Order: sequence, then structure tokens, then C-alpha cells
Amino acid sequence: GGIITQTPKFLIGQEGQKLTLKCQQNFNHDTMYWYRQDSGKGLRLIYYSITENDLQKGDLSEGYDASREKKSSFSLTVTSAQKNEMAVFLCASSIFRGGTGQLYFGEGSKLTVL
Amino acid sequence: SQWGEENLQALSIQEGEDVTMNCSYKTYTTVVHWYRQDSGRGPALIILIRSNEREKRSGRLRATLDTSSQSSSLSITAAQCEDTAVYFCATGTGGYKVVFGSGTRLLVSP
Repeated sequence: GGIITQTPKFLIGQEGQKLTLKCQQNFNHDTMYWYRQDSGKGLRLIYYSITENDLQKGDLSEGYDASREKKSSFSLTVTSAQKNEMAVFLCASSIFRGGTGQLYFGEGSKLTVL
Repeated sequence: SQWGEENLQALSIQEGEDVTMNCSYKTYTTVVHWYRQDSGRGPALIILIRSNEREKRSGRLRATLDTSSQSSSLSITAAQCEDTAVYFCATGTGGYKVVFGSGTRLLVSP
């Protein structure tokens, strides 16, 4: 079995700050994803990557940057945190062409902006 | 609106009852995923049903897929308290993008 590790688990930032979330997977999966989950709502796709150094925008990419320098890691940067923003960011990976294969998720990183 | 922007639906049932959650998707899909999310955890796959399957079962879970109406359902038979969770459907088009539905918060009471 494998695991998805997200760091930090909790992140508190200030308005306008650039904040980075990290995700590591040891499944040796090609495809990785970042989703945002707001309280009481579903998951929205921010960025995905089908291989090392590849980046694809999802439906919610504005305000975010991503980086996939290694197959095992995928980082997400909030370029300018919004005041009172609060959300959970979920990282996932998949071995198959993403749409047809199971996604494995990390535990999430909870962002609070003061 | 983007699917995931919508509020979670809420269902509350008693232990032992059957329950069905529905999911309608907007674009062509080759597969529908159903995930379960426990409080404070990431979602975990419970059933994956492909476009050439009309029904799939796993224990007390049953998923259906109707590609003509672009809808899928997840049924739980004789629900238990431990089935309390949020349930999401997600669709894949055969590419790499996987889009999640708005989800259902299920509460099973003793």
C-alpha cells in the first residue's frame, strides 16, 4: 500500500500572503490532483498533473500556482491569500488515466486566513 | 455553476433503513466514482462504475449508471450508524480530469 502525505495539516496566513502547500505520494502514481473543499460544499479541481513537470488547470485555477518537479511531489501555492478565507485543500493521486481510475486522497490541509 | 460549488444535500435516516443518493452529471463520462468522506479525512473510493455497466454491487452498496439520462445512484441497504459520512459522486471523461458532484451528508441514527 501507499500513502499521500500533505503538509502542513493546518496553515494560518495573513491577507495578501503567498502560502504553499505540499503533497507527497509513494504510490509511484503518474497523475496528481489538487482540490479545494469549502465548508459544507463539494470538491473543486484547482490543478492536476499527468506527469513530472506537467501542469493542467482545473476549474478553479485563478489565484493559484502549482509545481510538479518530481513524480512523487505536487505543490500548490495560494498566490495572495484572501481575508477570512477558510478551506480544506485535498491532494490526490491516480495510477490510471485519471478519469477511469481510483483517486487516493491525503488527509487535507486546512487553510485559515486572518 | 461548477458542481462542487453547490451545498451538500442532507439526509437523515434510522439504522436499518435503506437509502438512495442520486447524482446527475452534465457532460459525457466513461466512469462514475462514488467516494465516502468521514469527518476530518480525505475521500475514499467505495464504488467505481464504468459506462458499460448498469449496476455494480459491493456488500450493502449498490451503484447504478444510466448513461442515457446522465445519472447515477448509490444505494445503501440496511444502513448502519457507521455509514454516517458525506458521499460524493465524481465523473471522468476518459481524460485525466475528475470532477466531483456536490455531495450528500448522510446521518444514520440508532
